[in-house]
Amino acid sequence: ETGVTQTPRHLVMGMTNKKSLKCEQHLGHNAMYWYKQSAKKPLELMFVYSLEERVENNSVPSRFSPECPNSSHLFLHLHTLQPEDSALYLCASSHTLLYNTEAFFGQGTRLTVV
Amino acid sequence: AQKVTQAQTEISVVEKEDVTLDCVYETRDTTYYLFWYKQPPSGELVFLIRRNSFDEQNEISGRYSWNFQKSTSSFNFTITASQVVDSAVYFCALSEARGGGSEKLVFGKGTKLTVNP
Repeated sequence: ETGVTQTPRHLVMGMTNKKSLKCEQHLGHNAMYWYKQSAKKPLELMFVYSLEERVENNSVPSRFSPECPNSSHLFLHLHTLQPEDSALYLCASSHTLLYNTEAFFGQGTRLTVV
Repeated sequence: AQKVTQAQTEISVVEKEDVTLDCVYETRDTTYYLFWYKQPPSGELVFLIRRNSFDEQNEISGRYSWNFQKSTSSFNFTITASQVVDSAVYFCALSEARGGGSEKLVFGKGTKLTVNP
């Protein structure tokens, strides 16, 4: 067990569907993140939450909507996605937001938009 | 702006060979941290090492070693006597002190290492 659990592991959705990705961390961390990993691109930071408040939103399209109901859970709500949104979506957590803190990652959700 | 370059996209070696993964970074800050992460086929990124900008001592952990050189802005990673289980994508990352406790970890594109038996 990695400490950061993501569900589902794989998701195929049509462009008109609505789905949600879930992330749960059992590490007592205060910060949580969503990253997008596309083929041949660096990992892209999408959202950052600290103590359940969003502190960063990196110009992510509104078809991605994050939610952090408590410090252990993070969701990414998806609607009307495009095929180019197909990627591995990684959730991570860290003890704090401090720049010297390592992040712990989940195994990701492999999303395919058809 | 921060930038991390991993020029090697893919490397293939035979078991027991030594292999070095290169990482070059750019930053205007004097205070920053460098990281290496490993991403096995299962998907999750696994933290390997963190090094701050004021500590240029090389580090060794088992078969892994890291060479940090500020003069060349490089933080290279060497695996000695590679094993098949080392096959993974390896990411170098940089995090600057931004004040207010806001962290931004910038990753390189990764190097895919394949170790063949």
